[in-house]
Amino acid sequence: GQQVMQIPQYQHVQEGEDFTTYCNSSTTLSNIQWYKQRPGGHPVFLIQLVKSGEVKKQKRLTFQFGEAKKNSSLHITATQTTDVGTYFCAGPRAAGNKLTFGGGTRVLVKP
Amino acid sequence: DGGITQSPKYLFRKEGQNVTLSCEQNLNHDAMYWYRQDPGQGLRLIYYSQIVNDFQKGDIAEGYSVSREKKESFPLTVTSAQKNPTAFYLCASSPGGKLDTEAFFGQGTRLTVV
Repeated sequence: GQQVMQIPQYQHVQEGEDFTTYCNSSTTLSNIQWYKQRPGGHPVFLIQLVKSGEVKKQKRLTFQFGEAKKNSSLHITATQTTDVGTYFCAGPRAAGNKLTFGGGTRVLVKP
Repeated sequence: DGGITQSPKYLFRKEGQNVTLSCEQNLNHDAMYWYRQDPGQGLRLIYYSQIVNDFQKGDIAEGYSVSREKKESFPLTVTSAQKNPTAFYLCASSPGGKLDTEAFFGQGTRLTVV
């Protein structure tokens, strides 16, 4: 079945530095979504990418969908303590709307 | 306010007892989902429903059951057959279109079985 993998599993970042987390699917995705879960909270939708090669920005966050629509990345510039949390990518399976989530990248920020 | 509500937030049960987790949404969404999250782990799909009176098994359906008698409600029963039920359970809903799959999550229910 379809698998969605995320790397790295953990990311320790010095405040002010940049980092990137990656998402890879075993199959082509119709779209990919990114969610953020704060510690103790629930996942909150950040963005959806649909087109091949699409790039979207939200302030310090840049999301990219690969040309083959099988991978995606999230790049955060000038990391802040408010960026702490787990970032998940998710893609609907080809047969229906079963949202499959990656394992997440847990981000810890060192002040 | 529109949203998705899970109750209770914390739930304790004795081993061997069935327990039902509530999930209600007033977003008029067709699709609803149940996920399980273990500490430090990702979200694993238990069951999902794309329309009233229909639902499908996810990746870890064994030991769980659901119903979808109303559009706004998708309760999850954790049965005694679930070998390791202690976890954080998240319910979500989405509009249900092919590209319109943004999921809205409830606050979650932390189930502890002792």
